[in-house]
Amino acid sequence: NAGVTQTPKFRVLKTGQSMTLLCAQDMNHEYMYWYRQDPGMGLRLIHYSVGEGTTAKGEVPDGYNVSRLKKQNFLLGLESAAPSQTSVYFCASRLAGRYEQYFGPGTRLTVT
Amino acid sequence: KQEVTQIPAALSVPEGENLVLNCSFTDSAIYNLQWFRQDPGKGLTSLLLIQSSQREQTSGRLNASLDKSSGRSTLYIAASQPGDSATYLCAVVWGGYQKVTFGTGTKLQVIP
Repeated sequence: NAGVTQTPKFRVLKTGQSMTLLCAQDMNHEYMYWYRQDPGMGLRLIHYSVGEGTTAKGEVPDGYNVSRLKKQNFLLGLESAAPSQTSVYFCASRLAGRYEQYFGPGTRLTVT
Repeated sequence: KQEVTQIPAALSVPEGENLVLNCSFTDSAIYNLQWFRQDPGKGLTSLLLIQSSQREQTSGRLNASLDKSSGRSTLYIAASQPGDSATYLCAVVWGGYQKVTFGTGTKLQVIP
């Protein structure tokens, strides 16, 4: 049982480049989340999904897109990266009806 | 809007001391509150989750309490150890189960 995994662990992008972050969970969780963590601001919810094929906006969705084509995977896309998107990105998941969230190890993204 | 505050931002204690970490929130209409531990460069590990109908939860040397009416939760750590050194975060779920607001954390250092 790997839990929640994230790929890649680190990435450096130039302004305007695009990339996709992958989150995978093997716990058959319905709910999946993408957060960003910035110094002094805590974790903020970007997008979330309540099941395969469904996504919704969180607190800070601008500049990001997501897809949940398979129940076990949740992808976060940056179409045109900006320096303001430099952050550590965390994915989390949970079972429907249970509220404990399980987090991945994070992806450190730097946009220059 | 929900605001979650954790004070102090940093705490240093000698090994063996009992300590209390604080989490306060502005909107008392929460569904649950979760305490996490984050080690440097790592993801979040869930410690305790308290449902809104509960007053406290215990796990080993950890005890978390919740007072919804006053908008406060405390995490009590008994007989602290150097291995407890980490950043402790609280998060509240509110507004329809999909709104999650994190505090900025308390960085704990336990000195041998």
